[in-house]
Amino acid sequence: DAGITQSPRHKVTETGTPVTLRCHQTENHRYMYWYRQDPGHGLRLIHYSYGVKDTDKGEVSDGYSVSRSKTEDFLLTLESATSSQTSVYFCAVAPGQGNGQPQHFGDGTRLSIL
Amino acid sequence: QKEVEQNSGPLSVPEGAIASLNCTYSDRGSQSFFWYRQYSGKSPELIMSIYSNGDKEDGRFTAQLNKASQYVSLLIRDSQPSDSATYLCAVNSPGAQKLVFGQGTRLTINP
Repeated sequence: DAGITQSPRHKVTETGTPVTLRCHQTENHRYMYWYRQDPGHGLRLIHYSYGVKDTDKGEVSDGYSVSRSKTEDFLLTLESATSSQTSVYFCAVAPGQGNGQPQHFGDGTRLSIL
Repeated sequence: QKEVEQNSGPLSVPEGAIASLNCTYSDRGSQSFFWYRQYSGKSPELIMSIYSNGDKEDGRFTAQLNKASQYVSLLIRDSQPSDSATYLCAVNSPGAQKLVFGQGTRLTINP
């Protein structure tokens, strides 16, 4: 158990509303990631963080922003949700002992934008 | 061109047989390779890591790595219905603490 909690687990909201997903970890891992998973596309990296206030974009970052003000929390925000952002969102963490460490995933958030 | 490629399946294997899952990658600088198992509606779970050429065995699972040919495979011996899942291959992105995932192979074990 990597001690990862995602909240909420399920959310239904309307187009144009802001949405924030939270990832909380208890193991003090340096790296945190947000992915989305859609049929036919697999896991795609949205943003990731390599430390407090240190973040970088992934391959599908448009329409998303992130923040990491504490080691244990990584927030993903959809400023104005669109139907194309309906997906399952996974948070993952990895220790900071060098390149190529495995990632461990939270249970996911199922987000529906109507 | 996709950086990590897997046959999406579905791959159907009879119970008790060996399931063979394959993955190819494009970046010769990659040094770390992982297999994840994902049950329907659940999150990916790490089942194998491999870093050196050759075979690595863990119970009924064997990971095989051939860096010269840029492929990594996963063998599941004595397949069980509980092995039915999607298997994701992940490869590290050199110079960055990121993984690139294949689209996954859906495996079904038939009793």
